[in-house]
Amino acid sequence: AQSVAQPEDQVNVAEGNPLTVKCTYSVSGNPYLFWYVQYPNRGLQFLLKYITGDNLVKGSYGFEAEFNKSQTSFHLKKPSALVSDSALYFCAVRPDSSYKLIFGSGTRLLVRP
Amino acid sequence: GAVVSQHPSWVICKSGTSVKIECRSLDFQATTMFWYRQFPKQSLMLMATSNEGSKATYEQGVEKDKFLINHASLTLSTLTVTSAHPEDSSFYICSARDKGQGGGEQYFGPGTRLTVT
Repeated sequence: AQSVAQPEDQVNVAEGNPLTVKCTYSVSGNPYLFWYVQYPNRGLQFLLKYITGDNLVKGSYGFEAEFNKSQTSFHLKKPSALVSDSALYFCAVRPDSSYKLIFGSGTRLLVRP
Repeated sequence: GAVVSQHPSWVICKSGTSVKIECRSLDFQATTMFWYRQFPKQSLMLMATSNEGSKATYEQGVEKDKFLINHASLTLSTLTVTSAHPEDSSFYICSARDKGQGGGEQYFGPGTRLTVT
């Protein structure tokens, strides 16, 4: 079965420190990979995507993600966290045979001042 | 660009009544729209895929007669929760795929919180 795993329910980091939010997937073929952020009572905002090419993808608000095909991972990173980055982050995968998105369970990021 | 709106943003209704939620793509044409529901502190669950001019495709376990979806135009899809019950209370989010985009990203609406009393 196709799936996306976000192993951490919550990630805590101090402001100014680097952050990583982990994502691994189990999807056949060459899927498209996405990261979205959700603030309370809001829809999802697109952060970045990987389709092909350079394994390091840069996105909105200073976020980037590294695609690792051998480890089937797509971890979200930011060199210096801000308190305003505190939100719920979702990794999603779109199999190359479909337009549907498969979401991970979400990781809550808490950046403390 | 790529803005998706939902209306209403929140609604409270009585058990047994029906509620309609609208999803609009404001600045692009969306041949495909998706409807999700999200329970508190949980991920998004895809309910159905809505294609303009054709019947929606429902995910396994989603009652098509309870969650009526209509995609009447390239910019509007509606979800009607019929005979709502308290267990239908949830956060409903729609997304739209830009007809002109090949990258596959979906643009999400702000969500509608439904509370059934």
